[in-house]
Amino acid sequence: DGGITQSPKYLFRKEGQNVTLSCEQNLNHDAMYWYRQDPGQGLRLIYYSQIVNDFQKGDIAEGYSVSREKKESFPLTVTSAQKNPTAFYLCASSIVARESGYTFGSGTRLTVV
Amino acid sequence: QQPVQSPQAVILREGEDAVINCSSSKALYSVHWYRQKHGEAPIFLMILLKGGEQKGHDKISASFNEKKQQSSLYLTASQLSYSGTYFCGTALKGTGANNLFFGTGTRLTVIP
Repeated sequence: DGGITQSPKYLFRKEGQNVTLSCEQNLNHDAMYWYRQDPGQGLRLIYYSQIVNDFQKGDIAEGYSVSREKKESFPLTVTSAQKNPTAFYLCASSIVARESGYTFGSGTRLTVV
Repeated sequence: QQPVQSPQAVILREGEDAVINCSSSKALYSVHWYRQKHGEAPIFLMILLKGGEQKGHDKISASFNEKKQQSSLYLTASQLSYSGTYFCGTALKGTGANNLFFGTGTRLTVIP
């Protein structure tokens, strides 16, 4: 079955450490996205990529980095520069056409301890 | 750029109807609607592309007023399975990209 896999489901990080969240899809989608979800704030766009080796900043990219070396993979690194990283992170993918909906992964809950 | 959703929360008894509104300050290319159960991935419900368009499946439908930059989601004869948080996602005109700006969500609870 096609879909998006995010791992791990839960992640604990010490302050000052970088962590990388995995996102893999086998839907043959060109576009991939990372969103952050906080209570009462909905989903906010961190980064998106429409093609391999290219990505764009979203509204809240500071303290995050991404790479898109393969079509299937779009990992997100939360760096120590991100002041408040505790949140639920969602990865999504779609075809590039603007008439398509997103398929979301099941998310990674990151907690800074 | 983030659309505004209303109400923030609503509680219904089974069989009752609800309307969720989504309003943007920017011109819209399209409006998406998603439902998320607690701790799970949002699920795509539908997309509206044209002003005046209305869509629906089962007892969930939506409309898009392009001039007013608004969309509404209609849930009729609600079922327990409709519970969850509903998000609208908006794609802006003129950007050429499919990245969405999501509202803050409407928590819908259906009780027996």
